[in-house]
Amino acid sequence: DAGVIQSPRHEVTEMGQEVTLRCKPISGHNSLFWYRQTMMRGLELLIYFNNNVPIDDSGMPEDRFSAKMPNASFSTLKIQPSEPRDSAVYFCASTPGGGRRDSPLHFGNGTRLTVT
Amino acid sequence: AQKVTQAQTEISVVEKEDVTLDCVYETRDTTYYLFWYKQPPSGELVFLIRRNSFDEQNEISGRYSWNFQKSTSSFNFTITASQVVDSAVYFCALTAHAGNNRKLIWGLGTSLAVNP
Repeated sequence: DAGVIQSPRHEVTEMGQEVTLRCKPISGHNSLFWYRQTMMRGLELLIYFNNNVPIDDSGMPEDRFSAKMPNASFSTLKIQPSEPRDSAVYFCASTPGGGRRDSPLHFGNGTRLTVT
Repeated sequence: AQKVTQAQTEISVVEKEDVTLDCVYETRDTTYYLFWYKQPPSGELVFLIRRNSFDEQNEISGRYSWNFQKSTSSFNFTITASQVVDSAVYFCALTAHAGNNRKLIWGLGTSLAVNP
């Protein structure tokens, strides 16, 4: 079975540019999560969706960040405009169980974003 | 408050040594779930184990074992006869309870280096 698929694997962009990260969750998983990982702050939950509906976006740093899930098999995380402090590894994860607390997360390989 | 503490930032051992990674958690919930994830140098996060608060049985899976003790709020992870392939960052996490909001509280991770 295919796991969570993220693209691109690496993204290098200049400050001020728009960045779009993409995620395809595991088929049948109805919860999707976007995380950011940095050395300073570790793993931070940005937003999560249940059945394509955003449930909690309190971790989204600011209005420059937006996330969508137009259907059950695709989600995007957009940063516009990007800033150097957005440099991090962004992970997408999915899980079945409609957000049940005991469901383990299945992570993608991450997108390493560098903003210069 | 919900919190996960992994006091060991880095551990270095020689192959075939046993190593224990500590995890201490805080929660007021009576029902909660604890997880361990592995992040190898390739970067992806891999689910290792889940434990619920009502099951204090220790678990063994090959060279891996987990010791859950509610009395000390700890969920420690032991690797027996470590191998170079065990080199990774290991994360302990706790599922927080906030209505139907599903969030994982992550520790900052323990970086394990197994040297030949």
